[in-house]
Amino acid sequence: NAGVMQNPRHLVRRRGQEARLRCSPMKGHSHVYWYRQLPEEGLKFMVYLQKENIIDESGMPKERFSAEFPKEGPSILRIQQVVRGDSAAYFCASSPRGPQENTEAFFGQGTRLTVV
Amino acid sequence: SQQGEEDPQALSIQEGENATMNCSYKTSINNLQWYRQNSGRGLVHLILIRSNEREKHSGRLRVTLDTSKKSSSLLITASRAADTASYFCAFTGNQFYFGTGTSLTVIP
Repeated sequence: NAGVMQNPRHLVRRRGQEARLRCSPMKGHSHVYWYRQLPEEGLKFMVYLQKENIIDESGMPKERFSAEFPKEGPSILRIQQVVRGDSAAYFCASSPRGPQENTEAFFGQGTRLTVV
Repeated sequence: SQQGEEDPQALSIQEGENATMNCSYKTSINNLQWYRQNSGRGLVHLILIRSNEREKHSGRLRVTLDTSKKSSSLLITASRAADTASYFCAFTGNQFYFGTGTSLTVIP
């Protein structure tokens, strides 16, 4: 059973371009979470999705950022018109049940986005 | 903010010593979890303690939970150089909320 797969591992974008980060959850997991991490800092929650539905997007900037988790295929975190401040590591996690059901989160290795 | 607070922010100890890190939170929780992150990697789950439990052990790890004080501690006994990593507490409400992390360095 493969773990959470994120790609690409490293992504370089010029200011103004779009960044698409992909996350394939573990098999059988329908709950996906996206986090952002700056160097030497903790994880900042961005969005929680459960198959085709956004459950909580309270941590996601209202402009330029969007996330989806379609019925088929990976979850996508999309950042439009990237700026230098978007440079960070973006982690995806998945779980087999919701956070309130005593389940653990399984993390991918992250995508390191660099905006030049 | 729902984020947990951890202390110390950084901890440096000699191999063989015990390492203790603490986590405080503000909301009611279903459970509290601890994760480890090696530099540049994703987080790995270590242990989960439910809100009705007070203490839990797993190998060299010991976790305590005090829901009246809204705090938890992680003890790593007989530390090894390979334990060098960042450690995060996480508590669950509507989603997983992570603490600010403790950076542990174990000196061989």
